[in-house]
Amino acid sequence: AQSVTQLGSHVSVSEGALVLLRCNYSSSVPPYLFWYVQYPNQGLQLLLKYTTGATLVKGINGFEAEFKKSETSFHLTKPSAHMSDAAEYFCAVSEVPGGGADGLTFGKGTHLIIQP
Amino acid sequence: DGGITQSPKYLFRKEGQNVTLSCEQNLNHDAMYWYRQDPGQGLRLIYYSQIVNDFQKGDIAEGYSVSREKKESFPLTVTSAQKNPTAFYLCASRISGGPTNTQYFGPGTRLTVL
Repeated sequence: AQSVTQLGSHVSVSEGALVLLRCNYSSSVPPYLFWYVQYPNQGLQLLLKYTTGATLVKGINGFEAEFKKSETSFHLTKPSAHMSDAAEYFCAVSEVPGGGADGLTFGKGTHLIIQP
Repeated sequence: DGGITQSPKYLFRKEGQNVTLSCEQNLNHDAMYWYRQDPGQGLRLIYYSQIVNDFQKGDIAEGYSVSREKKESFPLTVTSAQKNPTAFYLCASRISGGPTNTQYFGPGTRLTVL
């Protein structure tokens, strides 16, 4: 069965600093990987996804993530944090495209706090 | 605008009552999903439907029921059998097939049991 571990339920960075949110997964087959962002009392918005091909994936709002098969990781980064980046971030994995029949398996989320 | 709508945004229920959460999409997506979100728990799959008149239980289906009579609609009923229904409920949809299809989420319904 697939699973996702997000290290750190809360991450705090200063405005302008590097953002690094960690995600490790387990999957018995090559995975499809996703990062979503959630603002308070709202739904989830897709930041980026990895399906096949290039392992460095660029998303919206300046975020990017790198798929490292040897480390079973898909960490999310952004070079310079903005106050507007404060939100909850979820990593998700699927063994079929888009979550298929079983939906997506989500990590427990990381709350990103931006210090002024 | 195309998208997924969920209603109501906030819902209060007395213990012992059944309530139905609405999810509508005009994206012409085939598959639809219901997730439950609890603080610090991420999202967990309740039910999903790949096509009209067909749906499958997810990881935490007990105490919930769904129907899929129309492609655009996938309502979720929280029954009195659900012992701890207070949570944030999210509906999602996607096109079936293809290598890169993504799930898109609605704005959510927050259910509180009084």
